[in-house]
Amino acid sequence: SQKIEQNSEALNIQEGKTATLTCNYTNYSPAYLQWYRQDPGRGPVFLLLIRENEKEKRKERLKVTFDTTLKQSLFHITASQPADSATYLCVPSGGYNKLIFGAGTRLAVHP
Amino acid sequence: EAGVVQSPRYKIIEKKQPVAFWCNPISGHNTLYWYRQNLGQGPELLIRYENEEAVDDSQLPKDRFSAERLKGVDSTLKIQPAELGDSAVYLCASSPGGTAQETQYFGPGTRLLVL
Repeated sequence: SQKIEQNSEALNIQEGKTATLTCNYTNYSPAYLQWYRQDPGRGPVFLLLIRENEKEKRKERLKVTFDTTLKQSLFHITASQPADSATYLCVPSGGYNKLIFGAGTRLAVHP
Repeated sequence: EAGVVQSPRYKIIEKKQPVAFWCNPISGHNTLYWYRQNLGQGPELLIRYENEEAVDDSQLPKDRFSAERLKGVDSTLKIQPAELGDSAVYLCASSPGGTAQETQYFGPGTRLLVL
């Protein structure tokens, strides 16, 4: 069955450093991969979508890579700020495949 | 532009009682999703609508859960009777429609506690 793995442990980093979050998937071949941010008590908010033919996508301080051979996406936040503290969810998707969210990685950026 | 609206925001009920959640998607969005999210987990899709049609309800526990989107706009998700294990956050999302890779816009969710 389709499976998504994200770092289960919380990621603690110092303000100004680069945060790197990992998303691994198995047993399917998504054409797209989305990343969402979720704050406590709120619904997820879309951040970035990367297509299978794109190796890298950037938006301001965010960068996402998509390696279909490794079945992995990396999500980077450069010059991290305490306001970046949240849970980040990955969603491999494509066509009419079943939508499955990863469990998310909790990021804590300390001043 | 108004986002996805959900009500109520919080609900506490006793087990075996019925409960209903309401969602109004973003205007013009044809696709509507209901998710359940347990603590520390990602959202789990319960049902997806394209207009009035439920195109994916494979994860909906049909013995106690039901959903409707009669006019292809707002939607109601019902649980009857509720069980202790139904305690979770119920999220509604919408997207313009067409394919599953579209960006989804989520509401704030309804936090359900079954006692």
